[in-house]
Amino acid sequence: AQKVTQAQTEISVVEKEDVTLDCVYETRDTTYYLFWYKQPPSGELVFLIRRNSFDEQNEISGRYSWNFQKSTSSFNFTITASQVVDSAVYFCALSGPGSASKIIFGSGTRLSIRP
Amino acid sequence: DTGVSQNPRHKITKRGQNVTFRCDPISEHNRLYWYRQTLGQGPEFLTYFQNEAQLEKSRLLSDRFSAERPKGSFSTLEIQRTEQGDSAMYLCASSLSGQGATETQYFGPGTRLLVL
Repeated sequence: AQKVTQAQTEISVVEKEDVTLDCVYETRDTTYYLFWYKQPPSGELVFLIRRNSFDEQNEISGRYSWNFQKSTSSFNFTITASQVVDSAVYFCALSGPGSASKIIFGSGTRLSIRP
Repeated sequence: DTGVSQNPRHKITKRGQNVTFRCDPISEHNRLYWYRQTLGQGPEFLTYFQNEAQLEKSRLLSDRFSAERPKGSFSTLEIQRTEQGDSAMYLCASSLSGQGATETQYFGPGTRLLVL
């Protein structure tokens, strides 16, 4: 069975601090995809990143970076120099090998950035 | 606006009534997904379409739920005889499949349903 665990339900930091959101996944598939989505107060899920299981190279996009470690089944997300606009609920997610696989979401981490 | 759109954005209904939601995917996307999100949880998969064919349905999709995508473009999700437990955000997503496509699912703003 596939499962995504986001143990941090809420995180609150002061603006400009770095913050890491943890994600641990379980799957029996050898090929799979990992995702992060952002859900601001407006409610719309915003796609951030998609990685396949064969690509363990870490990725950086501006202030965002992702650390994929297959050995620990983790796909953590770090925001550097956080800003108030980063406040949202962040979901880590997993899908199987099929191109049309449904996405299994974690329960989300609510991130609050205080000015 | 070239993103996924959903209507209505909010719906309040009384228990036992039928409701229908509409999703318009990104124009060239051939796959369309429905998810349900309850308060404090991540979205849960309900069903998906490849063009007009409904190819997978979750066990969450009881017989009171029906989804269609008649011409392979927009989709509707109908809930018959609504129950209070149906109160949730209903999210639609679309993706493009095929050679060279990223297959990433892009989500709409959702329809928030409240059953009284």
